[in-house]
Amino acid sequence: SAVISQKPSRDICQRGTSLTIQCQVDSQVTMMFWYRQQPGQSLTLIATANQGSEATYESGFVIDKFPISRPNLTFSTLTVSNMSPEDSSIYLCSGGGHMNTEAFFGQGTRLTVV
Amino acid sequence: KQEVTQIPAALSVPEGENLVLNCSFTDSAIYNLQWFRQDPGKGLTSLLLIQSSQREQTSGRLNASLDKSSGRSTLYIAASQPGDSATYLCAVNGNNRLAFGKGNQVVVIP
Repeated sequence: SAVISQKPSRDICQRGTSLTIQCQVDSQVTMMFWYRQQPGQSLTLIATANQGSEATYESGFVIDKFPISRPNLTFSTLTVSNMSPEDSSIYLCSGGGHMNTEAFFGQGTRLTVV
Repeated sequence: KQEVTQIPAALSVPEGENLVLNCSFTDSAIYNLQWFRQDPGKGLTSLLLIQSSQREQTSGRLNASLDKSSGRSTLYIAASQPGDSATYLCAVNGNNRLAFGKGNQVVVIP
């Protein structure tokens, strides 16, 4: 399967600031997804990143808080805006996983907000 | 809404024992089911993908079965090793999105 390079792998950020997470795929993928994993919990889908159009957000997540870009079929970014300690989580990007295709994940970004 | 449950939540086994991890899901209308491994603070590594038309998949010491009609999958890890210590996540693919269980946290004791 394809390989996703995600960065940064971890960061410690001040309350009120923003962090942009990048994911680069080594081949073109139709669909990319962004997930959040809060401590001790499973993965929750934030949004589907659509190439050439706005991202599709899940209930409870809004574009102002988590703006997403998808300029082409190999790259996407997620920004966590105006951070608070409640945003401390692991954020993961994913490709594939639609229809009968295999899903693959980046290495994750471990975010701590202080 | 798809609900995915993994039992047991955590288990410890001595090295060499076989591991049996269970996953159940509520909606049988799925494309496939995928098992992942996650090490602490890291991303997910895909272990096995079972299409909805398949009954099982094998890779080395790993074997995963799927009974779609009853909404169950089981991951078997033969002859466990300390390096198998991790959290194992089951993800069900339906409606072009993955629904995850909370995971089976495994510790293999040397």
